[in-house]
Amino acid sequence: EAGVAQSPRYKIIEKRQSVAFWCNPISGHATLYWYQQILGQGPKLLIQFQNNGVVDDSQLPKDRFSAERLKGVDSTLKIQPAKLEDSAVYLCASSSTGADEQYFGPGTRLTVT
Amino acid sequence: GDSVTQMEGPVTLSEEAFLTINCTYTATGYPSLFWYVQYPGEGLQLLLKATKADDKGSNKGFEATYRKETTSFHLEKGSVQVSDSAVYFCAPANYGGSQGNLIFGKGTKLSVKP
Repeated sequence: EAGVAQSPRYKIIEKRQSVAFWCNPISGHATLYWYQQILGQGPKLLIQFQNNGVVDDSQLPKDRFSAERLKGVDSTLKIQPAKLEDSAVYLCASSSTGADEQYFGPGTRLTVT
Repeated sequence: GDSVTQMEGPVTLSEEAFLTINCTYTATGYPSLFWYVQYPGEGLQLLLKATKADDKGSNKGFEATYRKETTSFHLEKGSVQVSDSAVYFCAPANYGGSQGNLIFGKGTKLSVKP
């Protein structure tokens, strides 16, 4: 069974530029999560999708971050414009129902200069 | 809201030493409890879990018991190996209250020396 796929693995941009990350969850998983992991900290949930609907985006900085999962499968997270404090690893995870264990992708390491 | 506190790291042990990483949580209801591990350069992997009080999760020689009375889920291993060097995260998930979102601790970095 293929795991959660993410791309790119690394990205370096300048502040005020925009960037997008892509995630493809495990086949058949209805729930998809995006987390932000700042160096030295645990992951923090940004947004949770159930199929193509948003379940929780309470910690998503909506003035600059956006995410979509249009067909209920893969998802894109965008930052526009980026700030220095957005430097982090962005993790995507999926679970079968949203009430069971989550499987994580390898993450995208973003550096904002 | 729900929260988790785990032992500050880094923890440095010699091979074959006993490991304990403390984790306590606050949550409404009865969360499921997880330990995730992050090896250098890799993503998070589920290490073990427990879904109700007194359950013991175990995997790869690691164990943790769901203690409702002390709201704790301490991770233990009797004899660590160099290959156990990683960052360990404790995470409750309250499926009743917060849609199954994991609340991660800050992580405890373990270094095992040969």
